[in-house]
This record gives sequence, C-alpha cells and structure tokens, in this order.
Amino acid sequence: QVQLVESGGGVVQPGRSLSLSCAASGFKITNHVMHWVRQAPDKGLEWLALISVDGVATHYAESVEGRITISRDRTQNRLFLQMNSPTVEDTALYYCARDGAGGSFDGWGKGTLVTVSS
Amino acid sequence: SYVLTQPPSVSVAPGQTAKITCGGSNIGIQSVHWYQRRPGQAPVLVIYNDGARPSGIPERFSGSKSGNAASLTITRVEAGDEADYYCQTFDLGSGHRVFGGGTKLTVL
Repeated sequence: QVQLVESGGGVVQPGRSLSLSCAASGFKITNHVMHWVRQAPDKGLEWLALISVDGVATHYAESVEGRITISRDRTQNRLFLQMNSPTVEDTALYYCARDGAGGSFDGWGKGTLVTVSS
Repeated sequence: SYVLTQPPSVSVAPGQTAKITCGGSNIGIQSVHWYQRRPGQAPVLVIYNDGARPSGIPERFSGSKSGNAASLTITRVEAGDEADYYCQTFDLGSGHRVFGGGTKLTVL
C-alpha cells in the first residue's frame, strides 16, 4: 500500500530557510518520479518540483525556481524539499506526491502546513 | 506558461449529473487527469489519461475530451461528491505539471 507522510512544517520567519521531508512506504521512490505540490489558503493546487527516477534531473516551477531544492535519500526512502528565503506568500499546505500513469499523481501524502510569519 | 481554465463553481442537485470542464490550448494532444479534494483531505486521483478510472473510483465518475476541452462528468451526484475538483496535465515544452484553478462542486 502506497503511503506518503510529510513532516517538517510549522511556523517559520520570513527569510529563514525551511526543510520538509516525506517518508515513503509501500514502494521505492527510486522507481518513480516524485513531486512536491502545495496549496496556499483559499488557492488552488500548485505544482512545485519534480525529481527524476534516476535522481539526476530536477525541474522547478517558475514561481519558486532558484529558491527551492528537491532531493531524495534512497536508503531512507525519503523525499526532501528545502526552501530558502520564504515569504508570507509561501504559506501553504505542502504535499509530496508520486508520479503515475501519463504524468498524473497517483499517490499523495496528507500534507504538512507551513506558515511563514514574523 | 501553460494555463488550464476551469469554471470556479458548479452546482447540482442530488441525483443529477455534474459536468466540470477544463480548457487548454494543447489539451487535445495531452493526457488530462482529474483530482477530487474534499475539505481537510488530500487530493485523490479520480480520472487519469483522459478517461481511465483508478481502482476504487465509482463508475459514476467519467472523463472525456473534445477539441481543446476536457470534461469530468459525475452522474447520480451524491452529497459526498461535494468537493473541489482539479484538472491537470503538463506543459509540452518544459514537462512541468500544470493544474487548473479548481472547480468547487456544490450539491444543493
């Protein structure tokens, strides 16, 4: 059974970096493209980043490119997201998701809430 | 960047049929996927590759495409179907994934 559990959310001050983690079970993240997606309050879903199956290629949404880094640890079967210099606009529920057929997202975690506030 | 357009809201009475549309310039040649997001819950894939249903999704949910628009149709709507629905594809140029703005389905 596919399970994804995000952690690392909380309140972070603007300009301070934040790190999120996603523990995967029921499958190996090295067999799938993996993603981070977020949803800000009263906004829609926003795709942020992906990491390729071989872990070499990463791609980022224009809105966050240069400020975030997606990575993974194959031994821990974990996905990570680091964000630098967050602003209040980065306040959101952050999800990790598994890539599925045709580029869909066939598995989601419950999300971890990040609040950027001074 | 690539844009998918959805109506902000759709309302339907219980037992009736709801249709949610998703427009985009290249939809005709791309796979479209649909997600249901109930309040306080993670998104759930309800349709992938335009019209395929994941295991466990009721047959009441179906997807289709015509021209530059995709549609999610929910027949015999139930109160439990009340949720936000998002379409999704990817930008052909960059491979980046793209979501529509979401449609709030209200069951009257």
